[in-house]
Amino acid sequence: QKEVEQNSGPLSVPEGAIASLNCTYSDRVSQSFFWYRQYSGKSPELIMSIYSNGDKEDGRFTAQLNKASQYVSLLIRDSQPSDSATYLCAVYAGNNRKLIWGLGTSLAVNP
Amino acid sequence: SAVISQKPSRDICQRGTSLTIQCQVDSQVTMMFWYRQQPGQSLTLIATANQGSEATYESGFVIDKFPISRPNLTFSTLTVSNMSPEDSSIYLCSASDSNPNYGYTFGSGTRLTVV
Repeated sequence: QKEVEQNSGPLSVPEGAIASLNCTYSDRVSQSFFWYRQYSGKSPELIMSIYSNGDKEDGRFTAQLNKASQYVSLLIRDSQPSDSATYLCAVYAGNNRKLIWGLGTSLAVNP
Repeated sequence: SAVISQKPSRDICQRGTSLTIQCQVDSQVTMMFWYRQQPGQSLTLIATANQGSEATYESGFVIDKFPISRPNLTFSTLTVSNMSPEDSSIYLCSASDSNPNYGYTFGSGTRLTVV
């Protein structure tokens, strides 16, 4: 059973701080990794994808991938109240292009 | 990335009836997916809609209850049949293009309430 695990939270950080979200996965052959943001009542929105070991930065967001340890993380620098949402980790499982989803981490950024 | 228009955005239906949800993509996509999401929960994949062939259903979901059409590379429908209150949920369609590294785009969702 392929799994993706995330801490459900809620994770609470003060405005301006760094929010760190973590995700582990069980399938060693996983190829691509995604972070989605989902505001309450809205559909998921892709914010980061990462394919290779190391860091990938996009604005205030940094995705980190460590395939040996089978974890992927998302750092949000200078957190803003507008970052308050649920963050879903998804892992590309293989040729059938079906994503395996984590349960999501709820993030609250406090002004 | 692809833009998906999903409708209806919400509906309230009587038990025993059926509702068809439509998703239109602004470009040709190879794979389309249908998800269900209960409030406060993560996404549950219902099926993968394949163009030119039958949909592939996940465990716990059957074609008689959730028939899917995929007549071309830009359009798909999901029907929720013989509805009961347990079918009340948010239904989402998603699509990917040929490169999975580009990620998957979602429609805006359909909030279904069965009374």
